[in-house]
Amino acid sequence: DSGVTQTPKHLITATGQRVTLRCSPRSGDLSVYWYQQSLDQGLQFLIQYYNGEERAKGNILERFSAQQFPDLHSELNLSSLELGDSALYFCASSEYGQIQETQYFGPGTRLLVL
Amino acid sequence: GNSVTQMEGPVTLSEEAFLTINCTYTATGYPSLFWYVQYPGEGLQLLLKATKADDKGSNKGFEATYRKETTSFHLEKGSVQVSDSAVYFCALSITPDGEYGNKLVFGAGTILRVKS
Repeated sequence: DSGVTQTPKHLITATGQRVTLRCSPRSGDLSVYWYQQSLDQGLQFLIQYYNGEERAKGNILERFSAQQFPDLHSELNLSSLELGDSALYFCASSEYGQIQETQYFGPGTRLLVL
Repeated sequence: GNSVTQMEGPVTLSEEAFLTINCTYTATGYPSLFWYVQYPGEGLQLLLKATKADDKGSNKGFEATYRKETTSFHLEKGSVQVSDSAVYFCALSITPDGEYGNKLVFGAGTILRVKS
């Protein structure tokens, strides 16, 4: 158990819908990361937050947005969903968001868009 | 750009065989290097890491050395067990150009199957 929690574990929805994925970091970690894992793209970095502020952005679609709240939990919002958004979405956390730190991963949310 | 290339699998070995999974990287700047392992239905777990050139990471019998001259971070284990069957990901951590944070860039993953 990494100490990172993600909800829900599974999500099934229809094209055009909007969903929210939630992540709670390990106790004491200030930085949260979101990654997408799919068969065709592999593991892709989406976005990083540190203490509520956006720090780095990857290949995140405009239909996707994220935020980190004062209690440090984070939400990833996916809207106007398409079939290709079906994937496993991981949240990770680290203490200060530095490159030498270990990122601890949650169990993931498996999204299926029908 | 920043990228990681690791050997394609699946790699199938008999128990107690020697394991090598090759990993090479391209990076601007000075990345930290990681090996993560993913068991079926689970998230990624850190296996080992190295944060500067010539550092050796080790854990549970696995080892990898950060080789700057060959831009490599090959994973080795002297004697694999059935319980080592999983997907192994090589990754680098780097600060994206023009930003203050950092991200992990992953290789495609190597499936390891160990037979008893």
